Amino acid sequence: DAKTTQPPSMDCAEGRAANLPCNHSTISGNEYVYWYRQIHSQGPQYIIHGLKNNETNEMASLIITEDRKSSTLILPHATLRDTAVYYCIVRVGQAGTALIFGKGTTLSVSS
Amino acid sequence: GAVVSQHPSRVICKSGTSVKIECRSLDFQATTMFWYRQFPKKSLMLMATSNEGSKATYEQGVEKDKFLINHASLTLSTLTVTSAHPEDSSFYICSARGTYGAGDYEQYFGPGTRLTVT
Repeated sequence: DAKTTQPPSMDCAEGRAANLPCNHSTISGNEYVYWYRQIHSQGPQYIIHGLKNNETNEMASLIITEDRKSSTLILPHATLRDTAVYYCIVRVGQAGTALIFGKGTTLSVSS
Repeated sequence: GAVVSQHPSRVICKSGTSVKIECRSLDFQATTMFWYRQFPKKSLMLMATSNEGSKATYEQGVEKDKFLINHASLTLSTLTVTSAHPEDSSFYICSARGTYGAGDYEQYFGPGTRLTVT
């Protein structure tokens, strides 16, 4: 699986949009971009995933660049409960292999 | 849907004893389960992959005789830490992958088990 690069930490004010970047310059054509987050002392929580089109669900939006070398996770109105470590992972879709976690981005949302 | 549970949520044991952690998929059949370990302020590290009815595949550096994994049914996998030592103290997280709904092969995570070896 291709590797990803994320900033180690970001801050965001409550109520503002949080934009978390991820670089995956060596992504292959059949690899999806997945985003998970982990709130302290809990298991990872699935957020969203996509292949090449932008995706949106009730939690977030995923913007993937046209060349697929980078993506941005957008939390439109961050709350204190969104404080967590956010992981960007690329993996072949519907594969039996495990998700491999990098270091992620620690997002701190403050009031 | 797609809920994965772990039991116990936290356990304290004495050095030299064995501890069993259960991972269950509550509303789907998990053909594959994964076990991760996470040390404080570190990322999740994959320990092993297990498919129902077959032997687990361990990642490099993970002792298979120390971390026994059994995946005897489509809804239950167990991780037994044998002869536990203080350095085995960690947060153990399981994940299940299976068919849930049409074409859903995503990986769902349990809440984790905090193991402390004294």
